[in-house]
Amino acid sequence: EADIYQTPRYLVIGTGKKITLECSQTMGHDKMYWYQQDPGMELHLIHYSYGVNSTEKGDLSSESTVSRIRTEHFPLTLESARPSHTSQYLCASSGTGQVNQPQHFGDGTRLSIL
Amino acid sequence: KNQVEQSPQSLIILEGKNCTLQCNYTVSPFSNLRWYKQDTGRGPVSLTIMTFSENTKSNGRYTATLDADTKQSSLHITASQLSDSASYICVVSDRGSTLGRLYFGRGTQLTVWP
Repeated sequence: EADIYQTPRYLVIGTGKKITLECSQTMGHDKMYWYQQDPGMELHLIHYSYGVNSTEKGDLSSESTVSRIRTEHFPLTLESARPSHTSQYLCASSGTGQVNQPQHFGDGTRLSIL
Repeated sequence: KNQVEQSPQSLIILEGKNCTLQCNYTVSPFSNLRWYKQDTGRGPVSLTIMTFSENTKSNGRYTATLDADTKQSSLHITASQLSDSASYICVVSDRGSTLGRLYFGRGTQLTVWP
């Protein structure tokens, strides 16, 4: 069982608020990812990191930002939440060294912006 | 355009019955194909991974097949259980999971009735 944790699991908040979604993993993985998933739709990569102080934007444009100050921690921030940000956000991590290592996912944060 | 298409979109079966889920992809170059299981409110969990040279792989009651020539994969579930109710997601990587991009299908929502 993968050790990757996301908090909060659910968040309902008003428009304009600053939000930080937390993601931590205890596996020492270098690579971490943030995905956005809407009901019945595929996961879309919005941010990824290959290590400390490394962050890149994914395939889906997002107004969120991320940081990677520590290997185990990869928080995602929305400076001013809008209803269009309502979605499920999934964090994942993967190790290096072995080929074809799977991405291990957290249980997600379901975000609702009123 | 690299794509992953899954069918059916949803499926309802009775407990104890078998079922087969389909995945067609156009991703090139192909590195590997992975099936994930995503329970409601949880993150995806890897079930199987198949590389170009593999055409069958089993994980308990789950058996995945791959035809790299026709770019098709299937996931067969034997003697279904209520706990098999979940979304099953097909994910294709173009250069290995640790380096390449992942292409996600929208999933097949499986419901097992007692």
